Amino acid sequence: DTEVTQTPKHLVMGMTNKKSLKCEQHMGHRAMYWYKQKAKKPPELMFVYSYEKLSINESVPSRFSPECPNSSLLNLHLHALQPEDSALYLCASSQARTGTSGGHQETQYFGPGTRLLVL
Amino acid sequence: LAKTTQPISMDSYEGQEVNITCSHNNIATNDYITWYQQFPSQGPRFIIQGYKTKVTNEVASLFIPADRKSSTLSLPRVSLSDTAVYYCLAPPGGGSYIPTFGRGTSLIVHP
Repeated sequence: DTEVTQTPKHLVMGMTNKKSLKCEQHMGHRAMYWYKQKAKKPPELMFVYSYEKLSINESVPSRFSPECPNSSLLNLHLHALQPEDSALYLCASSQARTGTSGGHQETQYFGPGTRLLVL
Repeated sequence: LAKTTQPISMDSYEGQEVNITCSHNNIATNDYITWYQQFPSQGPRFIIQGYKTKVTNEVASLFIPADRKSSTLSLPRVSLSDTAVYYCLAPPGGGSYIPTFGRGTSLIVHP
């Protein structure tokens, strides 16, 4: 099973709402990622979890709050978002490996994304 | 962070071979170069990965010269369904691994 699932597929929320995005993988990967992607732009890394611990936070505003309850699940809690936060939110997972060169040999598997609209 | 540089867009026709080159002057000494494909409103999909020389799979080939400052993704005999954005990821050296997508190359395949 090489699938990463994300729910919901679409989400519309007001600026005062609290909502959560969910991501799940059963590939045994120990690294999980959240990305944000605006139209016609590349994915921008937001957070990385490694072995269920937050290892990278790319200076993301506190209105985005990640959570990794276990090695298969990743959540992104949303609160008091702004209209400019409307985007496609992508989850990914990977099993970081050391290649024969001794360096990073990482393949990320992405979910289909959640299309978020903030009104 | 060092960035990758790719052509913003390319056009091709069905049945042609397409080569997309990515420059990554500051790639980490031992890290791998990875290419992804992305269709609109979908997550990126892994295509191919390599460290040096040439790698081939059922979808594409990846050519990496000895200095590793660039890499070329080769798509043989493209079809309309290959219309997508293609990203190369090449981690810069000097620290922990942070995957960074460049602007990507938008490939349009014409009938």
